[in-house]
Amino acid sequence: DVQLVESGGGLVQTGGSLRLSCAASGFTFSDHYMDWVRQAPGKGLEWVGRTRDKADSYTAEYAASVKGRFTISRDDSKDSLYLQMNSLKTEDTAVYYCARVNNSGWYSRDYWGQGTLVTVSS
Amino acid sequence: DIQMTQSPSSLSASVGDRVTITCRASQSISNYLNWYQQKPGKAPKLLIYAASSLQRGVPSRFSGSGSGTDFTLTISSLQPEDFATYYCQQSYSSPPTFGQGTKLEI
Repeated sequence: DVQLVESGGGLVQTGGSLRLSCAASGFTFSDHYMDWVRQAPGKGLEWVGRTRDKADSYTAEYAASVKGRFTISRDDSKDSLYLQMNSLKTEDTAVYYCARVNNSGWYSRDYWGQGTLVTVSS
Repeated sequence: DIQMTQSPSSLSASVGDRVTITCRASQSISNYLNWYQQKPGKAPKLLIYAASSLQRGVPSRFSGSGSGTDFTLTISSLQPEDFATYYCQQSYSSPPTFGQGTKLEI
C-alpha cells in the first residue's frame, strides 16, 4: 500500500526555520513528482511547491508566497521528501501535507500523507 | 495564475439527495480538473481526475463532468459518510490551484 508519513512539524518563532520530512513507501518514489500542500487553520488548500523526478532533473517550483524562503528537496535513495522552511512568518502556520503526483499525465495528487502541523508564533 | 471558483461555498442536504457542486476556471483548462474530498482532521482524498475519471476505490455514486472552464461534481445519492468538504483543483498549468471548497452539511 502507498504510504506517506510527514514529520518535523512543531512550534517555531517568527523568523525561525524548520525542516519537514515525508517518508514514502509502497511505490517507486523515484518515478514520481512530489508536492507539498498546506492548509491554514479553518482555510482551504494551498499548493506550496513541487519537486520533479530524476528524469526531469529534480527541478523544483514554488508558490509565490514561499519562493525564496522554502526549499524542496528529495533523496530517492531514502524514499524521502523534504521541505526546508526559513524566515517563517505567522501566516505560514498550517498543516503541511506531502502528496504524490500521479504520473499518468493528468497530474492529480493521488495519495496524501496525514499532515504535520507547523505553528509560527510571534 | 488560473483561478478556480466553486459554488456553492456551503450546501445543506439530506441522505439520499442528489447533489451537484460546480467549479469554474478563469481560463480553459481542457479536462485537467481533479476533485478531492476532505473530512475534518483528515487529509484530502482524490475522488475524480481528468474531470470525469473515477479514482480506484471511489464509489460510483460520485461522478464528474465538464471541460474547458466549467465542471461539476455530482453525488447521485448522498450517504452519511459523504458529508465533508470538496475541493476542485486544476492541473493544467503551474501553479496548480484549488477552489475555495464546498462544505456539504446535513
